Formats: sequence, C-alpha cells, structure tokens
Amino acid sequence: GDSVTQMEGPVTLSEEAFLTINCTYTATGYPSLFWYVQYPGEGLQLLLKATKADDKGSNKGFEATYRKETTSFHLEKGSVQVSDSAVYFCALSDRGQGAQKLVFGQGTRLTINP
Amino acid sequence: EADIYQTPRYLVIGTGKKITLECSQTMGHDKMYWYQQDPGMELHLIHYSYGVNSTEKGDLSSESTVSRIRTEHFPLTLESARPSHTSQYLCASSKGGGTNTGELFFGEGSRLTVL
Repeated sequence: GDSVTQMEGPVTLSEEAFLTINCTYTATGYPSLFWYVQYPGEGLQLLLKATKADDKGSNKGFEATYRKETTSFHLEKGSVQVSDSAVYFCALSDRGQGAQKLVFGQGTRLTINP
Repeated sequence: EADIYQTPRYLVIGTGKKITLECSQTMGHDKMYWYQQDPGMELHLIHYSYGVNSTEKGDLSSESTVSRIRTEHFPLTLESARPSHTSQYLCASSKGGGTNTGELFFGEGSRLTVL
C-alpha cells in the first residue's frame, strides 16, 4: 500500500539556521502531497501542498517540491525562527481512494533554540 | 481558517466509564475522519464517513464507535473506557467531489486520559 517515510527526529537547530526535513513516498497512483504542522497542544494545520509532479508548494517561508523521479517532497526553510518549533508531518493523498484518506509519515519534532 | 470544533479538549475519567467525544464542523464538508495520535506522534485513522448515515472503520482497529446523523456532527463514543484508550483523538473533515485535492481540516484535538 501507499506509505510515507520521514527523516527521524527530533531535530534541533539554532535560530536562522537552514532547515531540511526529508520525506519520501511510495504510491501506486498519482498522489497529492502535503506538509502539515502541529504546534504544541493543537491539531494539525496544512502548511503547504503540491498536487502534481514538479509543483512547488510554499507558505510562511517553507517550500517543498514534488519530485516524481525521486518520489520525494522534502521540506526546506532558509532561516528558521523559534516560532517554527513544532511537529511536522508529511502526507499523501491518492484521489483513487474514495474518502481521500491521507497517509501520514511518522512526524518530525523540530526545536529551534534562540 | 478552518471551522471544526472538538469538545472536550481534555478529559480524565475512570475505567469503565462511557465517554463521547464531540466533533462539529460548519464548512458543509461531506467527509469526516477520526485519527488517534499516540505519544510517539504517529497518526492512525480509526473511523471515517463519506456523508450522512455512512461510517467506515479505518486502518487501525478501535473499540470506539461513531455515528453520522447530521452532516456537521461526527461524535465518537467509547462504551467502557480503559487505560489503553488513553490518547489524543483528532477529528478532521474534507470537501467532497472532484475539486478535492485531499486537504484535511483538523480540530484541536481531545486528549483523553483513562485512570
């Protein structure tokens, strides 16, 4: 079945450092890809998405490019802030599944130190 | 901004009690979901619904049950809570139809502790 693999955490960086969180996927169809963020004590929020190959999703300084050839959707940010501390989830959705069930990666906890 | 609400946010109860976690959305979404999030952060789909009177089991077996009598409401019930049910429960919804790219809108979660 479909699956998502994220780099293991936790990840700890200093403020203004460059961030990469790796995400690779396996899917039988042509999935849409997502990054969700979960701040402490809250539910998940959509951070960005890409619906087809070579699309780049971006939001709040974060970017990720849908790479079909490498089945990857790595999350990047050029200069992180303390407020970016959260858990990040990579996910895919196969439109072939009737309920658009999302398949999530295991999550990566990010801590940014001032 | 998503309009999906969960109550209670936090609940501590004793073993054997019946509990219902409420979830409501005001976006008119057809599809709704319940995820269980374990302490290791992984998310497991336990129930979903295509619309009114539709309920399906998710990928992770759960002793909880759900109902969907109204579009906006998708409550989850545990008839007899046990310590193994201690977890965070996240409700979500999504649009139906061909325009849906798979985005889910999540509530803030209900953290259940069973003593």
